[in-house]
Amino acid sequence: SQTIHQWPATLVQPVGSPLSLECTVEGTSNPNLYWYRQAAGRGLQLLFYSVGIGQISSEVPQNLSASRPQDRQFILSSKKLLLSDSGFYLCAWSEALIGSYEQYFGPGTRLTVT
Amino acid sequence: KQEVTQIPAALSVPEGENLVLNCSFTDSAIYNLQWFRQDPGKGLTSLLLIQSSQREQTSGRLNASLDKSSGRSTLYIAASQPGDSATYLCAVRDNYGQNFVFGPGTRLSVLP
Repeated sequence: SQTIHQWPATLVQPVGSPLSLECTVEGTSNPNLYWYRQAAGRGLQLLFYSVGIGQISSEVPQNLSASRPQDRQFILSSKKLLLSDSGFYLCAWSEALIGSYEQYFGPGTRLTVT
Repeated sequence: KQEVTQIPAALSVPEGENLVLNCSFTDSAIYNLQWFRQDPGKGLTSLLLIQSSQREQTSGRLNASLDKSSGRSTLYIAASQPGDSATYLCAVRDNYGQNFVFGPGTRLSVLP
C-alpha cells in the first residue's frame, strides 16, 4: 500500500531564515506530487505540482520554491521566510497515468514564522 | 477561473441525524470531484471520488452525488456519530491540467 510522509511535523523559524520541508511517497512509481498551503481561516491553496523528476509548475508567485530530486521526493524551500509564510503545509500525491487522479495527503507540517 | 463554495460553513447536529453538505463550483468542465475530511491539525483523508461521468458514489454511511450541469455536489451522511465531527472539504479537478480547486470547507459537530 502507498504511504506519504512529511517532516518535520512542526517548525518555528524566524523571519529571514531558510526553509526546507520534505515529502516522500512509498509504494508507487512516478506519482504526481503537490504542495498546498492552508493558512488560518483560509482554504487550501495549491503552491506547486510536479509530474516528474525536475518538472515543477508554480501556481502562485511567492518567495517559495519546490524541487523534485528523486521520483518520490518533493521538497519545498525558501531562502528567506516572511511572516506571511506561516501556515499548514500539505503534500499530496496522485497517480500519474490517466485514471482517477484521486489525491492522497500527508500529515502536514505546521510552520510558524516569528 | 474555477471557484468552489461550500454551504453551510458550520453545522451542529445531534447524534443520529441524517445530514447533507453542499458543494458548488462555477465551471462545469471538471474531470472529477473529491470529498475529504480533515480533523483539527491533521492532513486530509479522502472520502469519496466522483468522476465527471458518474452521478454518485457510496461508501458506508456516506453518499456523494454530482450534478455537473448545475455545478453542484452533495455529501449525505446517514445516522451521524460524534466521530464524524470534522471539517469536510470538496475539491474539483478541471479538464485543463493538474489544478485542484478546494472549497473552504464545512465544519461539522455531531453532539452526543
